[in-house]
Amino acid sequence: QVRLQESGPGLVKPSETLSLTCTVSGFSISSGYYWGWIRQPPGKGLERIGIIYHSGSTYYNPSLKSRVTISVDTSKNQFSLKLSSVTAADTAVYFCARDSSSWYDYWGQGTLVTVSS
Amino acid sequence: EIVMTQSPASLSVSPGERATLSCRASQSVSGYLAWYQQKPGQAPRLLIYGASTRATGTPARFSGSGSGTEFTLTISSLQSEDFAVYYCQQYNNWPLYTFGQGTKLEIK
Repeated sequence: QVRLQESGPGLVKPSETLSLTCTVSGFSISSGYYWGWIRQPPGKGLERIGIIYHSGSTYYNPSLKSRVTISVDTSKNQFSLKLSSVTAADTAVYFCARDSSSWYDYWGQGTLVTVSS
Repeated sequence: EIVMTQSPASLSVSPGERATLSCRASQSVSGYLAWYQQKPGQAPRLLIYGASTRATGTPARFSGSGSGTEFTLTISSLQSEDFAVYYCQQYNNWPLYTFGQGTKLEIK
């Protein structure tokens, strides 16, 4: 059974960098698939942030590209998100998920990140 | 960017009745469409892919149809556990795929 679990601070100050990690169990990241981050502001819809392959190749949402970095650590079976220069508009539930190059088939439970001083 | 528009934004239906949710793409996505269900406090769950193929564990009362720009998710006889928000997602031009804004299915 593939499981994903997000971890990281739930509160980030404006202008700082949001950092989250997704730990994958039940499947080796090195075996394939893309791995992605999606966010959902309170009461709103889903926004794709970006994806990464085990080789390190990435794709970022153009609207966030200048602030986003996604990295992978295959030795820990984890991938991570960094979002810089955050504002209140970045307050959201952040999900990690497995991207089958078509749809997202496995999701983490999500973690709420609030941007506030 | 392909824009996905879902309608209605919310829908009130009685248990046991049929619900029909729509998703329209701003340009053709062929049959490359997925539907997700999201309950409060949970992650989205994949229901249907390829516009009409039920994902593992999706009950038979859920059916998807459509191609090109017009798609429909039908729930034939609503159960209490079906009241949730439903999202469509196109994956015609990976990695530039996009979600609709969601339809909230409420109990009438």
